[in-house]
Amino acid sequence: QVLLQESGPGVVKPSETLSLICTVSGVSITDKYWGWIRQGPGKGLEWIGNVFYGGITKYNPSLKSRVTISVDSPKNQFSLTLTSVTAADTAVYYCARVLGTTLYPWFGPWGQGTLVSVSS
Amino acid sequence: EVELTQSPATLSVSPGETATLSCRASQSVTSNLAWYQQKPGQAPRLLIYSASTRATGIPARFSGSGSGTEFTLTISSLRSEDFAIYFCQQYNNWPPITFGQGTRLEIK
Repeated sequence: QVLLQESGPGVVKPSETLSLICTVSGVSITDKYWGWIRQGPGKGLEWIGNVFYGGITKYNPSLKSRVTISVDSPKNQFSLTLTSVTAADTAVYYCARVLGTTLYPWFGPWGQGTLVSVSS
Repeated sequence: EVELTQSPATLSVSPGETATLSCRASQSVTSNLAWYQQKPGQAPRLLIYSASTRATGIPARFSGSGSGTEFTLTISSLRSEDFAIYFCQQYNNWPPITFGQGTRLEIK
């Protein structure tokens, strides 16, 4: 059974950097693509980006200048870094396994999500 | 960017009946569309991919159809655990991968 668990600070100050880790169990992280998605309060889902264990990444153009997603194979983890955060970045952040192919990806399973609030 | 419009925003249906949810794309996504179910306080769960293929473990009462710009998720014989929010997602023209705004399925 593939399980994902997000971890990281629940509060980040404006203009600072948000950093989250997703720990994967039940499968090697070298197995597939991995992704981050967020959901703002009362809002829909926003895709942040995907990473392949080889380091290939795809990002949402609206966030690309501030986002980095990377893989730590020995720890079976992947991470999200979002710089220069504002209140608009307040959201529940989900990590997920990418299914399908590198060209046609969908998501499953997802982690339980972690709420990150941007506040001073 | 492909915009996905889901309708209705809220759908009220009685248990045992059939719910029909719609997802419309602003341009063709061929059959590259997925559906997810999200219950309060939980992560989304994959239901359908490639427009009509049920994910592992998903009951047969969930079915997806459509191609191009018009898609439907049909849930027959509604059970109490089916009342949730449903999202569609396209992965044909990306980045960015985009999601619909969701349809809330509530008990009538």
